[in-house]
Amino acid sequence: DIQMTQSPSSLSASVGDRVTITCRASQDISSWLAWYQQKPEKAPKSLIYGASSLQSGVPSRFSGSGSGTDFSLTISSLQPEDFATYYCQQYNSYPLTFGGGTKVEIK
Amino acid sequence: QVQLQESGPGLVKPSQTLSLTCTVSGGSISNGNYYWSWIRQHPGRGLEWIAYIYYSGSTYYNPSLKSRVTISIDTSKNQFSLKLSSVTAADTAVYYCAGDGRGDGYFDYWGQGTLVTVSS
Repeated sequence: DIQMTQSPSSLSASVGDRVTITCRASQDISSWLAWYQQKPEKAPKSLIYGASSLQSGVPSRFSGSGSGTDFSLTISSLQPEDFATYYCQQYNSYPLTFGGGTKVEIK
Repeated sequence: QVQLQESGPGLVKPSQTLSLTCTVSGGSISNGNYYWSWIRQHPGRGLEWIAYIYYSGSTYYNPSLKSRVTISIDTSKNQFSLKLSSVTAADTAVYYCAGDGRGDGYFDYWGQGTLVTVSS
């Protein structure tokens, strides 16, 4: 199985901050990487696919980058509705696997 | 807009079989673009992919659960289902159904999730 490691596991930030979350795969996954946002008691919401393509309807302050084994999700200017947990997921090969999550909290 | 809704018992006894159904609305489950999956999330923890099924009946299981899992599809009801046998407390989780509209493993549609507790 491909292991996905996210860092940090949590962070505190203020509205307006630029936030970057990283995700590392245990082997080369090309650009087969997705990012999801999950709020408490809610299902994950699709944000980014193909490492950098924005899902329709997702604000442009979200961006993704990377390829191979190292990836990042950046929120350019954190908004109140962005406080949530973010997960990366590889879909290079089965079984599909997710990172452990990064919780973005209000400072 | 495709919508998914999980249903099934919220409480299952140890050693019994967990059974859940996902009803798809706003689109046909037989849409050849879609692969349909089950994913679970243990309380306070990350996400674990369980299995997928294609409308043709083709399936793929996570090897970690394969011996206990069956996924099936009923195109006449626009539903797909999960059965997990011999459950233990470790199977307590929120179970999500999800749709992969690109056929590549990226989930663009998710159900709201249903909590299943394994307890006597």
